[in-house]
Amino acid sequence: GAGVSQSPSNKVTEKGKDVELRCDPISGHTALYWYRQSLGQGLEFLIYFQGNSAPDKSGLPSDRFSAERTGGSVSTLTIQRTQQEDSAVYLCASSLTGSNEQFFGPGTRLTVL
Amino acid sequence: AQSVTQLDSHVSVSEGTPVLLRCNYSSSYSPSLFWYVQHPNKGLQLLLKYTSAATLVKGINGFEAEFKKSETSFHLTKPSAHMSDAAEYFCVVSSYNTNAGKSTFGDGTTLTVKP
Repeated sequence: GAGVSQSPSNKVTEKGKDVELRCDPISGHTALYWYRQSLGQGLEFLIYFQGNSAPDKSGLPSDRFSAERTGGSVSTLTIQRTQQEDSAVYLCASSLTGSNEQFFGPGTRLTVL
Repeated sequence: AQSVTQLDSHVSVSEGTPVLLRCNYSSSYSPSLFWYVQHPNKGLQLLLKYTSAATLVKGINGFEAEFKKSETSFHLTKPSAHMSDAAEYFCVVSSYNTNAGKSTFGDGTTLTVKP
């Protein structure tokens, strides 16, 4: 079946612009995660959605970052007024209820000029 | 609380020799542990997972890992390295009872395989 998909695969933007990154989880997966991976670094947790519960936003680095998940499926990560330090690969993952095995998408590479 | 430490940021082996990537964890609850591999410019792929069943876990591509509670370790091994094993490897701990299922990733180990 289809895995986790993310779009766009690459995004180049100018400093100060807003960007939206999209994640389509595996059908039936109730949990969805966003991570950021800076060049040569590990994964930094950003936000976690589980079903209809309030999301865990504890990893969002600033109020310029927000995410929503519509209808318990597709999620959008929005970065407002982008800064050069936002340049990274943004990874999305999903998992089944009761499982902490995460399935990752290919990521979106964001470059802020 | 939970944490994971990958003891080596870089490991270099010759093709055909054994691989050992070390991982130590801490968790307030019974953890699940995972190893993921990331090839250049690719997403993360699950290699293997431990979820309180057998302590010796076999994964894909000939990799295996042993959960040792007394040592709080989950080291990844492979008897004979292949050139295609060159990648970044991440050890992950997850305690479903806490943090609503949030996982903690290690900083990664870069494996280089020399011909």
